Amino acid sequence: DADVTQTPRNRITKTGKRIMLECSQTKGHDRMYWYRQDPGLGLRLIYYSFDVKDINKGEISDGYSVSRQAQAKFSLSLESAIPNQTALYFCATRTSGSGNEQFFGPGTRLTVL
Amino acid sequence: AQSVTQLDSHVSVSEGTPVLLRCNYSSSYSPSLFWYVQHPNKGLQLLLKYTSAATLVKGINGFEAEFKKSETSFHLTKPSAHMSDAAEYFCVVSGTNDYKLSFGAGTTVTVRA
Repeated sequence: DADVTQTPRNRITKTGKRIMLECSQTKGHDRMYWYRQDPGLGLRLIYYSFDVKDINKGEISDGYSVSRQAQAKFSLSLESAIPNQTALYFCATRTSGSGNEQFFGPGTRLTVL
Repeated sequence: AQSVTQLDSHVSVSEGTPVLLRCNYSSSYSPSLFWYVQHPNKGLQLLLKYTSAATLVKGINGFEAEFKKSETSFHLTKPSAHMSDAAEYFCVVSGTNDYKLSFGAGTTVTVRA
């Protein structure tokens, strides 16, 4: 089984709809992250969490919210989806320490019509 | 602040020839540096990382990278490209604020038979 899983893997929705993307991990890491990937822009950080009670905005948090339901679960919500939120979304986990890499989920491809 | 510049958005090589992907970084502190690979419709996989030990870092699948502080570079190389190396590659920097990874825009590698 994969260490970091994301559901759904693909989603098509309409403008104005509320969408939730879910991430679960079995690595036991305390830190979890949500990114979006757009062509030519690399990955940009939306939100990150150091533990269940510590949630922080990243560089592009407008229009998104998150919930850390447990150490192993970190959900991303789009309260009212808009077309420019069409992107590939990745969840990642990590242990503390600047030298430690992040482990990524397989991604969720979201299309907002 | 920290940032990464990948100098080539696309690299095309013939199978069996060397691959060079160029990355320059900017960081106020001693950075940790990573290279990730993303195959089509897949998540990101760590190729290698530099964390202030040896400046020449060996990774998976025959890749290696050299950290050059004087040039603020962390270029990725492979002596002989294989068809399976066709993918997108990301150079990533982490500073002392260890929550934050900064991604380059990515380099797409095409391997010709």
